[in-house]
Amino acid sequence: QKEVEQNSGPLSVPEGAIASLNCTYSDRGSQSFFWYRQYSGKSPELIMFIYSNGDKEDGRFTAQLNKASQYVSLLIRDSQPSDSATYLCAVNRDDMRFGAGTRLTVKP
Amino acid sequence: AAGVIQSPRHLIKEKRETATLKCYPIPRHDTVYWYQQGPGQDPQFLISFYEKMQSDKGSIPDRFSAQQFSDYHSELNMSSLELGDSALYFCASRGTGDTGELFFGEGSRLTVL
Repeated sequence: QKEVEQNSGPLSVPEGAIASLNCTYSDRGSQSFFWYRQYSGKSPELIMFIYSNGDKEDGRFTAQLNKASQYVSLLIRDSQPSDSATYLCAVNRDDMRFGAGTRLTVKP
Repeated sequence: AAGVIQSPRHLIKEKRETATLKCYPIPRHDTVYWYQQGPGQDPQFLISFYEKMQSDKGSIPDRFSAQQFSDYHSELNMSSLELGDSALYFCASRGTGDTGELFFGEGSRLTVL
């Protein structure tokens, strides 16, 4: 089992819809959780981080964390074509480990 | 604001040659990570350093070695290059006590012919 698993893509949503990205992790000692966005050939850039159970909202993005279920998700409201990218879930304990990423396409 | 600097940005080598990638972290960041990302793959953790000491080791081949120097910059040395080593190599840094966020460099693209 991989340390960090993400829902398999690619994921395609129409413009204006909600995109839902999911991630599970295996290490119960994980302390912090990150969502990175990566455009093709570019370096990952941080979208959000979350430490505590519950929801954390930042503009159109909402991260949700459930440590009991070892589950973290990212919701993107009012999806835009510019949101089309690969989204990487990352989990940190002593070091940062990434999931395989979910490719999101937002169609105009 | 200063970011993570990687060099070279592009590198082309022949099989069995040696390559060295350099990473200059954000000032006052004491932790450096190296990742390898093949085409269509997720970033694979290679190795990390904290305060010039190796802190963790991932899927780094024995042909690769790395170190962090007194000025906190890091170098990834790759020998006996294979075709499968062709990838984007990212360096990332973070500071102690920060949110834990990694700040990535723009990557070094290695092509092995």
